[in-house]
Amino acid sequence: SAVISQKPSRDICQRGTSLTIQCQVDSQVTMMFWYRQQPGQSLTLIATANQGSEATYESGFVIDKFPISRPNLTFSTLTVSNMSPEDSSIYLCSVPEAGAHTGELFFGEGSRLTVL
Amino acid sequence: GDSVTQMEGPVTLSEEAFLTINCTYTATGYPSLFWYVQYPGEGLQLLLKATKADDKGSNKGFEATYRKETTSFHLEKGSVQVSDSAVYFCALRGGGSNYKLTFGKGTLLTVNP
Repeated sequence: SAVISQKPSRDICQRGTSLTIQCQVDSQVTMMFWYRQQPGQSLTLIATANQGSEATYESGFVIDKFPISRPNLTFSTLTVSNMSPEDSSIYLCSVPEAGAHTGELFFGEGSRLTVL
Repeated sequence: GDSVTQMEGPVTLSEEAFLTINCTYTATGYPSLFWYVQYPGEGLQLLLKATKADDKGSNKGFEATYRKETTSFHLEKGSVQVSDSAVYFCALRGGGSNYKLTFGKGTLLTVNP
């Protein structure tokens, strides 16, 4: 199984600022995924981070709001831009199980953001 | 599109009680089904999975059977422990080559001694 480290684990941010979340994986992976877990809600996929190409965003999410970097096969960042209280969520990085085709994902512990 | 509906929580049980958390889904094709668990202060972990109809996933005393005829994947455990207190998420991956998971809203389980 993959070991995924996220930073920061939590932060309190001011409205209008931006915050970058880092995700480090202990093995090389082709795809990395960013999810959002709003309070009391299920997890929602924001985007797929592909190494060497632009991220693929899900409906309702745009690059200007959630720019993503993927400089290599073990690292990705997600920036939450121009934050508002509605962006208060847990943001999770995930990667698929290596060599398998069942769709299992491994998750980081998440980054809990509170926007005031 | 794909969707997952799971039992609203919170669920509170006494130790050694029987647990059922209902999960139904809507998907095209032949999805894979998962239960993930999130213990307090930790990240999501895969609890069990089933990839085709009639498969039974099991782990740590938990079981769930992939029922295509009822589009369900209910989670059960015969005797819960305090350490099972967590949030449980039902999820599916639709048929296809990508790894996108669709999650239910999660069910908070609290087990009292």
